[in-house]
Amino acid sequence: GAGVSQSPSNKVTEKGKDVELRCDPISGHTALYWYRQSLGQGLEFLIYFQGNSAPDKSGLPSDRFSAERTGGSVSTLTIQRTQQEDSAVYLCASSRRRGNEQYFGPGTRLTVT
Amino acid sequence: QKEVEQDPGPLSVPEGAIVSLNCTYSNSAFQYFMWYRQYSRKGPELLMYTYSSGNKEDGRFTAQVDKSSKYISLFIRDSQPSDSATYLCAMMLTGGGNKLTFGTGTQLKVEL
Repeated sequence: GAGVSQSPSNKVTEKGKDVELRCDPISGHTALYWYRQSLGQGLEFLIYFQGNSAPDKSGLPSDRFSAERTGGSVSTLTIQRTQQEDSAVYLCASSRRRGNEQYFGPGTRLTVT
Repeated sequence: QKEVEQDPGPLSVPEGAIVSLNCTYSNSAFQYFMWYRQYSRKGPELLMYTYSSGNKEDGRFTAQVDKSSKYISLFIRDSQPSDSATYLCAMMLTGGGNKLTFGTGTQLKVEL
């Protein structure tokens, strides 16, 4: 079946602009996760959704970052007033409700110039 | 000190060799352990998933967890050039929807 999909695959934006990244999880997976992968920091957790609720937002680095999920499916991660340090690959993963195995999408490579 | 430590490599081995990849961790509360493979400019792909201590085998891959030593390993037998990738260990405190804590990844190159 189809895996996790993310769009866009690449995004170049100017410092100060807002960006939206999209994640479409595996069908039937109720849990959705956002992670960020950068050279200096490795792969870091950002936020976790169960259905449309976000019980764990502890990894969001600042209030410029927000995420929402609608219909228990697609999620968008929004970064406002982007900074150069936001440049990274943003990865989305999904799992079954009580599943521990997380399956990742291909990521969105964000470059802030 | 990071919660999960992993040697970044690069690790270069000849085709057919047995590869050993390792991670150590500091939080004894971790219960679930995973290994992911990541090819360049791709998302991580789940290879192995284990709960608590013990061994798990899947084809050429064997995962070992030693909770008493806070040490996990991934062995790759009969390594192939297609195994060349970055291998990430990851662990989770409890099940049912929790964040993964990753090592920084080990870059592996299998040479012909």
